Amino acid sequence: KAGVTQTPRYLIKTRGQQVTLSCSPISGHRSVSWYQQTPGQGLQFLFEYFSETQRNKGNFPGRFSGRQFSNSRSEMNVSTLELGDSALYLCASSRTLGSGNTIYFGEGSWLTVV
Amino acid sequence: QKEVEQNSGPLSVPEGAIASLNCTYSDRGSQSFFWYRQYSGKSPELIMSIYSNGDKEDGRFTAQLNKASQYVSLLIRDSQPSDSATYLCAVNIYNNAGNMLTFGGGTRLMVKP
Repeated sequence: KAGVTQTPRYLIKTRGQQVTLSCSPISGHRSVSWYQQTPGQGLQFLFEYFSETQRNKGNFPGRFSGRQFSNSRSEMNVSTLELGDSALYLCASSRTLGSGNTIYFGEGSWLTVV
Repeated sequence: QKEVEQNSGPLSVPEGAIASLNCTYSDRGSQSFFWYRQYSGKSPELIMSIYSNGDKEDGRFTAQLNKASQYVSLLIRDSQPSDSATYLCAVNIYNNAGNMLTFGGGTRLMVKP
């Protein structure tokens, strides 16, 4: 059974550019969430999508956005990149919402902003 | 105040010993609890999940949950050098909107041969 797949795995962008990251959840999983991990702030929740609707949003500026498609695949976008956006971006999937759902992470996308 | 607290370590144990990792959380509405292992440069890997009070064992790993005291722990028996990693405690505070994991800062475990 394939795990959570994220692309691209590594990328380098320049300040002011935008970036789009992609995530394919585990087959049958309908909830996709995104997290940012930095050495200083640790792992922080960005947002969660379920059935193409954003269900939860973390405390990040509007430059961070996302969407989910009908096949549960998800993308997140960061516009007007800043140096502080350099981080590991992790996608996680779970079968549905609610307590008792196990949440699995993909391998992540390493973003470096120069 | 951070909602999920872990000792950052490093926690150093000899090979073959029991490693005990602890985590406290502040939100009594927390419903699901997870331990993830993260090697340097890699993504978090699920080790254990626990949803009700008591112990849950899986191989060399035992998760313990005490909701009254708001703590969750992970025991690793017969620790191996390959267990050396950062262990992240995560709490799912499910609300009517959806899932949202809150992570502790992680405990770095070092198992010395």
